[in-house]
Amino acid sequence: NAGVTQTPKFRILKIGQSMTLQCTQDMNHNYMYWYRQDPGMGLKLIYYSVGAGITDKGEVPNGYNVSRSTTEDFPLRLELAAPSQTSVYFCASTRRGMLSGGAGSYEQYFGPGTRLTVT
Amino acid sequence: QKEVEQNSGPLSVPEGAIASLNCTYSDRGSQSFFWYRQYSGKSPELIMFIYSNGDKEDGRFTAQLNKASQYVSLLIRDSQPSDSATYLCAVKMDTGRRALTFGSGTRLQVQP
Repeated sequence: NAGVTQTPKFRILKIGQSMTLQCTQDMNHNYMYWYRQDPGMGLKLIYYSVGAGITDKGEVPNGYNVSRSTTEDFPLRLELAAPSQTSVYFCASTRRGMLSGGAGSYEQYFGPGTRLTVT
Repeated sequence: QKEVEQNSGPLSVPEGAIASLNCTYSDRGSQSFFWYRQYSGKSPELIMFIYSNGDKEDGRFTAQLNKASQYVSLLIRDSQPSDSATYLCAVKMDTGRRALTFGSGTRLQVQP
């Protein structure tokens, strides 16, 4: 298994351009997440999905869009890129998702990240 | 008040010592707690999770949870230079959002 893969690894965008960050997992996980991590900071949740066709906003969704047409893929779309979107983007997945009060492991598998610069 | 709070560090300990990393959280209804390790330029990886009050041990790592004080900690015994990384605390809060809330991380430096 390749786990969670992300493309591209690096990208430089000009202000106002658009792009799609790709994320694919081959573990048949139902829950998938997009985070951004600014320098010296923790992870901020952008969007997440609990299954194909179902997505929901996280803490910082403005300026982004997602879709989930298959279990494997969860692309993140940036429209009209702004310098504030310069960050490292991580995609993650879990089999069961973050259920409250549950037993067992809810390990999140992270992709290698995409480093995006908007100038 | 931040939802999940950690001291940013750096926390510097000598090789072989015990490193103690702390995390407080604001939501009293939180149920699940996770510690991730992140090396510079890499993605986070799960070290431990804990759900019940008390201690949970896994090798050189011990997670401690005190729900009454809204406090979770990670102890690393016999610290090694390879433990030098940023440690992220993550909490599943008692909200409708089926996702974790992460702290900003504590940078640990183990001096040889």
